[in-house]
Amino acid sequence: GAGVSQSPSNKVTEKGKDVELRCDPISGHTALYWYRQSLGQGLEFLIYFQGNSAPDKSGLPSDRFSAERTGGSVSTLTIQRTQQEDSAVYLCASTLRSADTQYFGPGTRLTVL
Amino acid sequence: AQSVTQPDIHITVSEGASLELRCNYSYGATPYLFWYVQSPGQGLQLLLKYFSGDTLVQGIKGFEAEFKRSQSSFNLRKPSVHWSDAAEYFCAVVERGFGNEKLTFGTGTRLTIIP
Repeated sequence: GAGVSQSPSNKVTEKGKDVELRCDPISGHTALYWYRQSLGQGLEFLIYFQGNSAPDKSGLPSDRFSAERTGGSVSTLTIQRTQQEDSAVYLCASTLRSADTQYFGPGTRLTVL
Repeated sequence: AQSVTQPDIHITVSEGASLELRCNYSYGATPYLFWYVQSPGQGLQLLLKYFSGDTLVQGIKGFEAEFKRSQSSFNLRKPSVHWSDAAEYFCAVVERGFGNEKLTFGTGTRLTIIP
């Protein structure tokens, strides 16, 4: 079956612009996670969804970051007024239920000029 | 909060040689433990995981890992590496029982294979 997909694969934007990153989890997976991978910070958790609700947003680095999930499926991570330090690879993962293996998408590489 | 330490930033081994990548975690109870591999420009692929039971777990591509509670370690091993194993390897831990079972990653170990 299809794995986790993310779009776009690459995004180049200018400082101050807003961007939206999309994640399509594996069908039927109820839990969805966003992570960020950057040179300085390694792999870090951003936000967790169970169904459409986000019980843990503790990893979002600032209020410029937000995410939503609709229909218990697709999730969108939005970064407003992008800054150069937002440049990173944004990874999405899904899992059938909590305490199970997380399956990762290929990521979106974001470059803020 | 849990943490994961991968002491080796970069390891170089010869093709055909054995490999051991170290991972230590800090966590009070028995965590869920994972090893993921990331090839250049790719996402993370699960190599193996430990939840409970037999402390020696087998994974894909001939990898295995052993959970040692007394040493808080979960080292990854392979008896004979192939050039295609060159990649970055991440150890990760999940804190159990809090609903949000997010992964906490180590900083990764980059593996280079020489002929």
